[in-house]
Amino acid sequence: EAGVAQSPRYKIIEKRQSVAFWCNPISGHATLYWYQQILGQGPKLLIQFQNNGVVDDSQLPKDRFSAERLKGVDSTLKIQPAKLEDSAVYLCASRPTNVGSGNTIYFGEGSWLTVV
Amino acid sequence: AQSVTQLDSHVSVSEGTPVLLRCNYSSSYSPSLFWYVQHPNKGLQLLLKYTSAATLVKGINGFEAEFKKSETSFHLTKPSAHMSDAAEYFCVVSLFSGGYNKLIFGAGTRLAVHP
Repeated sequence: EAGVAQSPRYKIIEKRQSVAFWCNPISGHATLYWYQQILGQGPKLLIQFQNNGVVDDSQLPKDRFSAERLKGVDSTLKIQPAKLEDSAVYLCASRPTNVGSGNTIYFGEGSWLTVV
Repeated sequence: AQSVTQLDSHVSVSEGTPVLLRCNYSSSYSPSLFWYVQHPNKGLQLLLKYTSAATLVKGINGFEAEFKKSETSFHLTKPSAHMSDAAEYFCVVSLFSGGYNKLIFGAGTRLAVHP
């Protein structure tokens, strides 16, 4: 089975520019997560989707970050304008269903952002 | 409040010696617990998970973990470390609350393996 796909893998931009990351979860997975992982830290949840609806975006900096999952399949995370502190790895993850806490979460390999 | 504490930020062992990575959790609900490994420049890979079945869980690459409810712990162990085990390890709690699943990550433990 194909894993969680993310692109681009690496991106370098200047501050105040914009960037977009794309994620395609495992086929049939209802729940999709975007995490931000700053070097040396654990992942921090930015937004969680259930199908095409948002269930948690409490830690998403909404003045500059946005995310959508219009058809309940793939998702895009956008940062505009970027700041130096946005330099991080952006991890996308998916899991089969929102019901039950025990089903496995599958992670993509991440999109590495450097803001200069 | 729910939380996950990884008691060591860094662990260093010699190749061939046992590995112990400690994780304690706090949860008002019955959680599911996971250990993930992250190698440099890679995403997170599942090592093992506990979902209220057997308390001793065996995972990939010789790792195992024991769920101890009385101690609220889920420590990760391996009898004999290999150089390829050097990576970052995350303990994760998953609980169903407020109508959806929440994931709570520990801060991570960096494992170094020396020849």
